[in-house]
Amino acid sequence: DAMVIQNPRYQVTQFGKPVTLSCSQTLNHNVMYWYQQKSSQAPKLLFHYYDKDFNNEADTPDNFQSRRPNTSFCFLDIRSPGLGDAAMYLCATSRASGSDTQYFGPGTRLTVL
Amino acid sequence: DQQVKQNSPSLSVQEGRISILNCDYTNSMFDYFLWYKKYPAEGPTFLISISSIKDKNEDGRFTVFLNKSAKHLSLHIVPSQPGDSAVYFCAASYNYGQNFVFGPGTRLSVLP
Repeated sequence: DAMVIQNPRYQVTQFGKPVTLSCSQTLNHNVMYWYQQKSSQAPKLLFHYYDKDFNNEADTPDNFQSRRPNTSFCFLDIRSPGLGDAAMYLCATSRASGSDTQYFGPGTRLTVL
Repeated sequence: DQQVKQNSPSLSVQEGRISILNCDYTNSMFDYFLWYKKYPAEGPTFLISISSIKDKNEDGRFTVFLNKSAKHLSLHIVPSQPGDSAVYFCAASYNYGQNFVFGPGTRLSVLP
């Protein structure tokens, strides 16, 4: 009965080759988030959706895009991955914005060759 | 510029003793704080939270203390159990906003 599911768990791509990471949720939460976490660092928020309303963090590179076709699914597209984009990508959801608890998926570890 | 700091990358504690994990922040606008626990190969899971109107919040073996003047919070685990071994992240937000800023984490090892 997983609540936030991320596929794949491990993704290998080549330098410059577009890659898509997916996240789905069974919680029917309104808000979905994407975080990037590099080794031994804090998770860094890339963007979030409140329903269909997209909110991009100011320092998120243009190379990163996101799509949310419906409440359950959210995708992270990396248009031209560089070596510096190798990281763990965490998806999270929350019922509402504000101080609501975020529920995290297990993450997708991206390797860029 | 790290707004949320966890200066101890790791901590080892004997089973049954108290674990104290510390977190410091620089932004005085932060008004809501959370602790997350993360096991290997899993995403972070919510542990406990505290808002700036309180200085203490307790949930079972877990207590979070907030010292606003010092911009410091701490998580106490009593008694510590081997299953508590994980990475603990402190996170903060302001205006009760959804943009949480995470600390780098502290790896807790509870030794049997």
